[in-house]
Amino acid sequence: EAGVAQSPRYKIIEKRQSVAFWCNPISGHATLYWYQQILGQGPKLLIQFQNNGVVDDSQLPKDRFSAERLKGVDSTLKIQPAKLEDSAVYLCASSPRTGLSGANVLTFGAGSRLTVL
Amino acid sequence: TQLLEQSPQFLSIQEGENLTVYCNSSSVFSSLQWYRQEPGEGPVLLVTVVTGGEVKKLKRLTFQFGDARKDSSLHITAAQPGDTGLYLCAGVSQGGKLIFGQGTELSVKP
Repeated sequence: EAGVAQSPRYKIIEKRQSVAFWCNPISGHATLYWYQQILGQGPKLLIQFQNNGVVDDSQLPKDRFSAERLKGVDSTLKIQPAKLEDSAVYLCASSPRTGLSGANVLTFGAGSRLTVL
Repeated sequence: TQLLEQSPQFLSIQEGENLTVYCNSSSVFSSLQWYRQEPGEGPVLLVTVVTGGEVKKLKRLTFQFGDARKDSSLHITAAQPGDTGLYLCAGVSQGGKLIFGQGTELSVKP
């Protein structure tokens, strides 16, 4: 079974520029997550999709971050304009469970490391 | 807001030593998960504990869920250099949301 694919693995940009990250989840997984992991911290959920609908985006800074999962498969996370504090690893994860009850089993991608100068 | 506090944040030990990592919260979780993350990789699920007081063993790793389902511990016996990594606990809320602790960075020196 192929894992969660993410690209690019590394990106360096200057503040106020824009950047986009792409994620292809495990085939058949209905739920897709984007997490932000700042160095020295645990992952923080940015947005959760169930198929192509948003389940939770309460911690997404909507003035600069946007995400879409148009066909319920792969997803794109965009940051525009980037700030210095956006430097982090952006992790994508997918799960076959709806998450409404019981424990989710998430499979994470390797992440996209963003450095904002 | 549900928060998970992990301790210690950093741990550097010699090969063969034992260690315990703690994960504490004031909130009750429906279950709790432990992940291990290596540099440049995403977290990988080690175990899920569901029942208060539950103990699960994975080779040299022992995981325990507190009776009140607010805290958990991870004990490693006879640590090896291959155990080096970031250990993350994650509480699963009633709504299925995963809340991660800040992680414990473990370094096992040969």
